[in-house]
Parts: sequence; C-alpha cells; structure tokens
Amino acid sequence: EAAVTQSPRSKVAVTGGKVTLSCHQTNNHDYMYWYRQDTGHGLRLIHYSYVADSTEKGDIPDGYKASRPSQENFSLILELASLSQTAVYFCASSVSGGQDTQYFGPGTRLLVL
Amino acid sequence: LAKTTQPPSMEAYEGQEVNVSCSHTNIATSEYIYWYRQVPHQGPQFIIQGYKDYVVNEVASLFISADRKLSTLSLPWVSLRDAAVYYCIVTDIGTNAYKVIFGKGTHLHVLP
Repeated sequence: EAAVTQSPRSKVAVTGGKVTLSCHQTNNHDYMYWYRQDTGHGLRLIHYSYVADSTEKGDIPDGYKASRPSQENFSLILELASLSQTAVYFCASSVSGGQDTQYFGPGTRLLVL
Repeated sequence: LAKTTQPPSMEAYEGQEVNVSCSHTNIATSEYIYWYRQVPHQGPQFIIQGYKDYVVNEVASLFISADRKLSTLSLPWVSLRDAAVYYCIVTDIGTNAYKVIFGKGTHLHVLP
C-alpha cells in the first residue's frame, strides 16, 4: 500500500512567520497534492504537482506556495502565516490524476497564533 | 464537475448493514464515482470506486443507478471502527484530472 508521510505532525506558528510543511511518498507516484481541512468541513485543494520541479495551483492557492524538488518530496510553504491558515493539512499522492486513487498522509495540524 | 449531495449524518448499531446514499444529478459521462472515509486524526482512505452498475470488494459494495445520478455505498456488519466521515466524490478522467473535490461527507455514528 502507498506510504505517504508528513512532517511535522503538528506545529504552532506565529502570525507573519514562515512555515514549511513537508510530504514524502515512497511509491513512485507522479501526482502529489496538498489539501487543507477546516474543522467540520471537507478537504480543499491548495496545490498539486504531476512532475518534479513543477507545481500547479489548486482551488485555494492564495497565501501558499509549493515546491516539488523530487518525485518523492512535496512541500507546502506559508511565507507569511496568518490566523486564517490554522487548519489540518493533508498531503496525498496518486499514480496519475483524475480517476486514480489518492493515498493520504496522516495530516499536519497547524495552529497560527 | 458534478456536485454531490449526501446526508450529513447517519446512525447505526454494531452489526447492522449501513447504506449511505449520494446524489450526483449532473454527473458527466467521463466522471467516475469514488468513496473515501476518514476517521478522526487521519487522512481519507479509499474504499471503492465505480462507473456503473454494481461493484464489490472486501470492504464494501457500491450500487450505481442506471442513470448514474445516485450511488449507494453499502457497509455490511458495521463495527465501532467504521465510525467515520464518508465522502462521495465524482472525478473526471479528462483534462481537469486533478479535480477531486471533497465535500462535507456523511458522518456515520456507530452505537454499541
């Protein structure tokens, strides 16, 4: 089964600070995704990538950057963290886009104060 | 992309069969139906997928109406471990292939 790991698992950040969330997958999947989940809501797509050194905007990219330095690694960067970015962030990967099953990591709980 | 509508919550006793419905009235011919579930403090986990008719695997079964506007996820003999949020998703295999939209899902409560 696909293995997707995330680090850190939880983080407290200060408003205006820089936050980097990391994701690592070990299954040679081409596609990787970053979602955020707010309490009581579904997941919303922030950024995704289908090849190393390339990233694409999802539905809510504002305030976030992404980096895909290798097939295995995908980072989400909050250059200036804000209170509204407090959420749980999930990374996922899939063999290809669309109809392929997405495999999710355990999530990173981010609290911005 | 087709929008999905699910009941916000359901309740069942251990050992019962649970059927979770999902309406996707605008589903396109290129879209597939997926079900995921999410237990607290974990990411969503794939359960089953289908395009039409009836699909079954070791975890669940999925019935899709003939017009593909309604699907029903069936969980036999639920246990406390099945308490989770269940997401019905339709996704396109076309150019917007990344567009997997998770709504609010159905929160299944399992009673002992």
